Amino acid sequence: KNQVEQSPQSLIILEGKNCTLQCNYTVSPFSNLRWYKQDTGRGPVSLTIMTFSENTKSNGRYTATLDADTKQSSLHITASQLSDSASYICVVSAYSSASKIIFGSGTRLSIRP
Amino acid sequence: DSGVTQTPKHLITATGQRVTLRCSPRSGDLSVYWYQQSLDQGLQFLIQYYNGEERAKGNILERFSAQQFPDLHSELNLSSLELGDSALYFCASSASDRGTGANVLTFGAGSRLTVL
Repeated sequence: KNQVEQSPQSLIILEGKNCTLQCNYTVSPFSNLRWYKQDTGRGPVSLTIMTFSENTKSNGRYTATLDADTKQSSLHITASQLSDSASYICVVSAYSSASKIIFGSGTRLSIRP
Repeated sequence: DSGVTQTPKHLITATGQRVTLRCSPRSGDLSVYWYQQSLDQGLQFLIQYYNGEERAKGNILERFSAQQFPDLHSELNLSSLELGDSALYFCASSASDRGTGANVLTFGAGSRLTVL
């Protein structure tokens, strides 16, 4: 069964600190993995996208890693800012005759001043 | 502005009623996806259309239906509304009908439906 599991479910850190969010997946055959940021009440916005051959990708203070062998990904946020408070969603796509896009349930990150 | 336009932004209606949510995809995108997000829940995939044809179906209730028109905009019809249908409904678009390669889903701002 195609699944995407994220941990932790929620996280609170102080402004300026770093954090790492985890994503484990069992989606097969794997096509790509994306991280989205969703502010409360807003639509998700793509942060990074990685295909099988990529193991790291950065977008400013956000760095995503992918280990296709262990089927794990992480999103590292450096020097957190109050505006980083949001839900972070891991999304994995599978090759199929029709689009197969599996969403994780997200990690809710809160940054405290 | 993501380029995906959803209307209305907010909608309040009563149980038993019927509403239509509209989505205009990003220019050049042929694929439209609909998602439901209840309070503090993850995104639940409802249905996908590609160039006017249904491509994939998720956990969409029989009371819900959708279509994609020749100009590629899509409408999600929700009927016999229940209190539990209150949620954010997101539309997303992508260039192709597959989640392959660098095909990124671009989301609209959502339509917030409140059923009283």
